[in-house]
This record gives sequence, C-alpha cells and structure tokens, in this order.
Amino acid sequence: AQKVTQAQTEISVVEKEDVTLDCVYETRDTTYYLFWYKQPPSGELVFLIRRNSFDEQNEISGRYSWNFQKSTSSFNFTITASQVVDSAVYFCALSEASGSARQLTFGSGTQLTVLP
Amino acid sequence: DSGVTQTPKHLITATGQRVTLRCSPRSGDLSVYWYQQSLDQGLQFLIQYYNGEERAKGNILERFSAQQFPDLHSELNLSSLELGDSALYFCASSVVPRVSNTGELFFGEGSRLTVL
Repeated sequence: AQKVTQAQTEISVVEKEDVTLDCVYETRDTTYYLFWYKQPPSGELVFLIRRNSFDEQNEISGRYSWNFQKSTSSFNFTITASQVVDSAVYFCALSEASGSARQLTFGSGTQLTVLP
Repeated sequence: DSGVTQTPKHLITATGQRVTLRCSPRSGDLSVYWYQQSLDQGLQFLIQYYNGEERAKGNILERFSAQQFPDLHSELNLSSLELGDSALYFCASSVVPRVSNTGELFFGEGSRLTVL
C-alpha cells in the first residue's frame, strides 16, 4: 500500500528565510509519480510539480526547488527567500503506476506561515 | 484557473438531508476524480470515473454515490447526511484514465459542505 508522510504539521518562518518541507513516501512499485500541491487560504489545490520515479534530477523553478532521493524515499520541497504569499498548506502526493491505484494518495499537509 | 468547475461553492444543510455536488471537467478531460478533505481524515480519494464508467473506488461511504454523464460532467450525491460529512469536496480531472506522467490531476476550487 502506498503512503505519504509529512511529519511537519506547521512551520513558521520570517519573510526572506529559506524553508524546506519534508515528504517521505512508501510504495512497492518501481514506477510511481510524486507531486506537490499548494492550498492557499482560498482553498483551491494548485499543482506545483510532478516527478516520475525514473528521474532523480533535482528541479528548480524560480524560488522553488525539489530534491528527490529514492535512496531515502524522500521528495523534499524548498522555498528560497520565502514571501508572505507563500503562506499556504502544502501537500505531497504519490501515485503508483501499476495495479488498480489510479488516484493520488496525499500526505497530511504542512501548514506554512511566512511572517512579514 | 484550473478549468475544472464545481458548484455550488458553499452549501449548508441539515442532518438527514441529501445534496448533489456538480463538477465540469476541463475541456477534453475524460477522467473525473472526487476527493474529500476533512480536518480529521485529510484529503481522501472517493471515486473515479473515466468516460462515463466507474474506474476506481476509494473510501466512499455507501450513502454516497456518483456518476459521470455523457457530456462528461459528474455529480456526487451525498444522502442521509451526518455532521461528520461536513468537508470540502474536490473534483479533479485528467485526460487519461490514470494518474501518470502525462495524466496529472487538475483540481476545482471545491464545494464546502456544512451539515448542521
């Protein structure tokens, strides 16, 4: 069975600080997909990134970067020079490629608060 | 704007009642997923339809049912409502039948159900 653990329930930082959100996953599949979604206070779920299990290259998009390490089953998300607008709940999610699992399994989310 | 439309955005009803939530997927997307987000259970997958057929079931209660119509819109029916059914219900869509390297999920803004 697939499982996603986000051990950090809440994180609070001051604007311009860097912050890393942790995500650890469990799966028996060799092919799977990892995602990060952002849920701002308005409530919608906004897609941030998708990685497949064959691609361990780290990715950077502006102030966002992701570190995927299969050896530790982790897919961590770093925001550099955080801004107040980054305040949101961030979800890590997993989808297995095989079997009947056709949906995303979400972690419990990390509430990030960026203080001015 | 993800292109996924959900109505209503907010709904308040009483225990024992029945409600219907509606979802219009992105243009061209054949697959519709329903998720429930509650404080105690987090984001949980309920059910998936692909081109009118049920494809996968998650933690969906027997009091809940869904369908996808020929025009690809979907409805989630919740009956005999209980206080614990209060949650944010998300619809998501993708073009392919399973989440994959190309089949990422696009989420609507959700329907917030309050059962009093």
